[in-house]
Amino acid sequence: GAGVSQTPSNKVTEKGKYVELRCDPISGHTALYWYRQSLGQGPEFLIYFQGTGAADDSGLPNDRFFAVRPEGSVSTLKIQRTERGDSAMYLCASRRTGGSTEAFFGQGTRLTVV
Amino acid sequence: AQSVTQLGSHVSVSEGALVLLRCNYSSSVPPYLFWYVQYPNQGLQLLLKYTTGATLVKGINGFEAEFKKSETSFHLTKPSAHMSDAAEYFCAVSQISSASKIIFGSGTRLSIRP
Repeated sequence: GAGVSQTPSNKVTEKGKYVELRCDPISGHTALYWYRQSLGQGPEFLIYFQGTGAADDSGLPNDRFFAVRPEGSVSTLKIQRTERGDSAMYLCASRRTGGSTEAFFGQGTRLTVV
Repeated sequence: AQSVTQLGSHVSVSEGALVLLRCNYSSSVPPYLFWYVQYPNQGLQLLLKYTTGATLVKGINGFEAEFKKSETSFHLTKPSAHMSDAAEYFCAVSQISSASKIIFGSGTRLSIRP
């Protein structure tokens, strides 16, 4: 596609449930990022993939959060046993290899845990 | 470790006035620097970036920023504010590396008074 696509755009789930958020990056972009953004805050880094492997997962808040990118394209962010504090906008971005390039962001998935 | 500090969570200027949004960074290696803009309920869009070369960088919508290594700053300016500039602005830093996460500041909300 022309841009980074995130689905669903909105997700409401009950506390304790499991959710999956999907990111479809720009074709050919080898780097993929996940961020979490709370209201009035900047994007908080969660995890970064270079190809299929997680190059840096230091931002994942705890072991309830996990992300995969099995074929080096689409990525899924998985959250187990959701808590109300997980409610936020989850942003995905992709980038061509090379630090000088900018990251292109999707529209985000707004997760609400009730 | 890298970090970004944006001074002023909210800046208000009159239409036609100078816009100045401040950003200071911390990086142990030469950085790449970015400014992104976020309109309500939208993803992040790149305004401009500094990688190497000229320290004064021009971006979209009349914005520019100057990289000052001695001051570890990358302030964003626009000579004359327009109502459509009202948005949230984020400064970000990345390492000069193909495998590098991007760290964002907490953002500055820009309001434009008629």
